[in-house]
Amino acid sequence: NAGVTQTPKFRVLKTGQSMTLLCAQDMNHEYMYWYRQDPGMGLRLIHYSVGEGTTAKGEVPDGYNVSRLKKQNFLLGLESAAPSQTSVYFCASVPSRGTLPYEQYFGPGTRLTVT
Amino acid sequence: AQKVTQAQTEISVVEKEDVTLDCVYETRDTTYYLFWYKQPPSGELVFLIRRNSFDEQNEISGRYSWNFQKSTSSFNFTITASQVVDSAVYFCALSEGLISNFGNEKLTFGTGTRLTIIP
Repeated sequence: NAGVTQTPKFRVLKTGQSMTLLCAQDMNHEYMYWYRQDPGMGLRLIHYSVGEGTTAKGEVPDGYNVSRLKKQNFLLGLESAAPSQTSVYFCASVPSRGTLPYEQYFGPGTRLTVT
Repeated sequence: AQKVTQAQTEISVVEKEDVTLDCVYETRDTTYYLFWYKQPPSGELVFLIRRNSFDEQNEISGRYSWNFQKSTSSFNFTITASQVVDSAVYFCALSEGLISNFGNEKLTFGTGTRLTIIP
């Protein structure tokens, strides 16, 4: 199992450009999440999905869109990148809804710089 | 709204010393879960422990131990006989209760504590 993978690992964008970050998991997990990590602020939830075809907003959703067309993939889109979106982005997944919240499995992160 | 506070931004200790990382949380849920994650210099997030709100027993795993006290809303993490490999940023996180959020397992993270072990 590859676990949770993220593509790309690094990216530099110019203000106004668009891009899509791909998160893929091969563990058949139901729930997937996108977080951003900024210095001194910990990780903050951008969007999440509790199943194929469903998405919901997290704490900091503005400027981002997401899609979950396939269970194994969760895409994060930036339509018009801004310098404030310079961050490290982490994707995570959780096995399924159950009686316990399972640990979140994290991807290796994507470092995005917007100039 | 829930909140996790890690008041210690950075800590440095000499190797072999014990060190405790503090975590204080706020939540209105009666059912919740607390986590600790480690982020080494390589950047990945490594799961360390999960604890539910009904289990206040302390836990020990090798050199790591955790002290959960509901009365003070704290979930502190102690490393005994620290080693250079323990140098990392450590995050405490809180998961919302199943009843109020239909089990979506969202995590609220603290801002992290950067731990440096000096050889």
